[in-house]
Amino acid sequence: NAGVTQTPKFQVLKTGQSMTLQCAQDMNHEYMSWYRQDPGMGLRLIHYSVGAGITDQGEVPNGYNVSRSTTEDFPLRLLSAAPSQTSVYFCASSSPTGMNTEAFFGQGTRLTVV
Amino acid sequence: GQSLEQPSEVTAVEGAIVQINCTYQTSGFYGLSWYQQHDGGAPTFLSYNALDGLEETGRFSSFLSRSDSYGYLLLQELQMKDSASYFCAVRSGGSQGNLIFGKGTKLSVKP
Repeated sequence: NAGVTQTPKFQVLKTGQSMTLQCAQDMNHEYMSWYRQDPGMGLRLIHYSVGAGITDQGEVPNGYNVSRSTTEDFPLRLLSAAPSQTSVYFCASSSPTGMNTEAFFGQGTRLTVV
Repeated sequence: GQSLEQPSEVTAVEGAIVQINCTYQTSGFYGLSWYQQHDGGAPTFLSYNALDGLEETGRFSSFLSRSDSYGYLLLQELQMKDSASYFCAVRSGGSQGNLIFGKGTKLSVKP
């Protein structure tokens, strides 16, 4: 069982370039989300999705786009990379309701924008 | 808005007990979670409290007081491998799926 798979693990971009961070989960989870983690800032929610075809903004959405065409995949797009987007990005998935709402995280993408 | 406060760093010795506190302010509240993250790794789930009281899982326990908007993670019989960052997180807001994290507490366990 692969869980949550993120690619790539590392990426260096030049300012102004675009790229897509991939995220896939095989647990049939309805809820998926993207976070960025910066030193001393914890994990901040960028975008989330409660199911295929439904996305919404989190705390820090500017500069990022998402789409959710299938339950399994939730890619994050940087349209025009900026040095301020240098960070570690985590994708997570979970079942959306009640009880033990454990979130499963991918291994992260370490992005550097120069 | 939502905010969570937890200490930035804690140091303890092997075999000791350490408590990491978390206070929160949220609009709507579904529960308090704790995650562990080793350097260079991904966050992993430790515990979840939806109701007041203590939840125990092996050496780790988590407590919640909804009336005080307060919780803590208790780590007993500390081991070197417990050196990591610990995050409290709340599920709140319009979607039950939204996890909002504190800034994390870096725990250093000394021999």
